[in-house]
Amino acid sequence: QKEVEQNSGPLSVPEGAIASLNCTYSDRGSQSFFWYRQYSGKSPELIMSIYSNGDKEDGRFTAQLNKASQYVSLLIRDSQPSDSATYLCAVNMGGTASKLTFGTGTRLQVTL
Amino acid sequence: NAGVTQTPKFRILKIGQSMTLQCTQDMNHNYMYWYRQDPGMGLKLIYYSVGAGITDKGEVPNGYNVSRSTTEDFPLRLELAAPSQTSVYFCASSPGTGSRGNYGYTFGSGTRLTVV
Repeated sequence: QKEVEQNSGPLSVPEGAIASLNCTYSDRGSQSFFWYRQYSGKSPELIMSIYSNGDKEDGRFTAQLNKASQYVSLLIRDSQPSDSATYLCAVNMGGTASKLTFGTGTRLQVTL
Repeated sequence: NAGVTQTPKFRILKIGQSMTLQCTQDMNHNYMYWYRQDPGMGLKLIYYSVGAGITDKGEVPNGYNVSRSTTEDFPLRLELAAPSQTSVYFCASSPGTGSRGNYGYTFGSGTRLTVV
């Protein structure tokens, strides 16, 4: 079964620190990778997509992809209390309809 | 643009009742999806559609049915509700694949369903 694995957390970081969220996936042929942020009681919101090995930066967020190790990560710099949420890793593992397989999410807590 | 709109936001059903969860999108996306989210279990794909008139089963389709008569609408039907269908249901849409890879999803706000 094709899987996406994440540590459920909670990951607790102080305000201003770097939060590092990790994800591994089982299908070596996967091509598209996404990070979603989900606040409690709300729907997931797309924050980053990455398709090639290496880093992709967008503001305080950096996504990192290593296809050889089947590993994707999200770094959040200068973490703010408003970043406290659950972060979902999602992977397109091929097939039709651009279907995404989601990890169970990592809960991030940014403390004052 | 409203994006992806789901109704209702909350619903309590009795065991054995039926209902339809509505989903509509105004982004002209061909691909639409229904997921359920249970605590600690992540999002599981129920059904998906690649265009009007075309639907297919996802990972957890039992107890559900869908239709796609237009590009905009993708309703999810629950027949004979069971307590195991208590969950949060999300509809999502996507334009599909671009030159670099797949586009991500836009999600609706969700429907919280309780079956008692």
